[in-house]
Amino acid sequence: DAGITQSPRHKVTETGTPVTLRCHQTENHRYMYWYRQDPGHGLRLIHYSYGVKDTDKGEVSDGYSVSRSKTEDFLLTLESATSSQTSVYFCAITWVTGNGSPLHFGNGTRLTVT
Amino acid sequence: EDQVTQSPEALRLQEGESSSLNCSYTVSGLRGLFWYRQDPGKGPEFLFTLYSAGEEKEKERLKATLTKKESFLHITAPKPEDSATYLCAVQGGGGSNYKLTFGKGTLLTVNP
Repeated sequence: DAGITQSPRHKVTETGTPVTLRCHQTENHRYMYWYRQDPGHGLRLIHYSYGVKDTDKGEVSDGYSVSRSKTEDFLLTLESATSSQTSVYFCAITWVTGNGSPLHFGNGTRLTVT
Repeated sequence: EDQVTQSPEALRLQEGESSSLNCSYTVSGLRGLFWYRQDPGKGPEFLFTLYSAGEEKEKERLKATLTKKESFLHITAPKPEDSATYLCAVQGGGGSNYKLTFGKGTLLTVNP
């Protein structure tokens, strides 16, 4: 698991409620990412962080916000959950070298919005 | 915009029956092409990074190759434990800020 812990692992919530997912790493890596995985779409980037308090949007960022106040923690918040946000959410981390650096993933959070 | 297309979507093999998975890509300035394995209920597990056309990497029964337009994951004499979804991803150099763009994956089933 490359020192990545996602919590909770499973969550069921109601439409309109806020939800926060947590990613915690023990590797002290600079870059952290949130992806969602859906059948027929594969993995899609929601937001990523390139340092404490430095974040940027991915391709499917609408309805999501993130925060990173410490190197080890990256939080994903669904401000008002909708059924379309039912998905499996993966956190990933990487170091950065001059060439391509692979991402290492946690085991995901399965979120169901009813 | 970086794009990755994987084929086939699903592949069924008999144990010992070798085959290949395809990953076609378009990217501005390839920084790296990555192969992952994903088991049900788990996160993707990193297998290989390929950086330039002509490069090959091997791990047990898996061999990944790269051209300027596509990558292949060759599986030699597969076993049932090789059953998984295999994902391909690219990282571009054109302002991609170290993001990976993934294909939708190939679901491989190896029957005993």
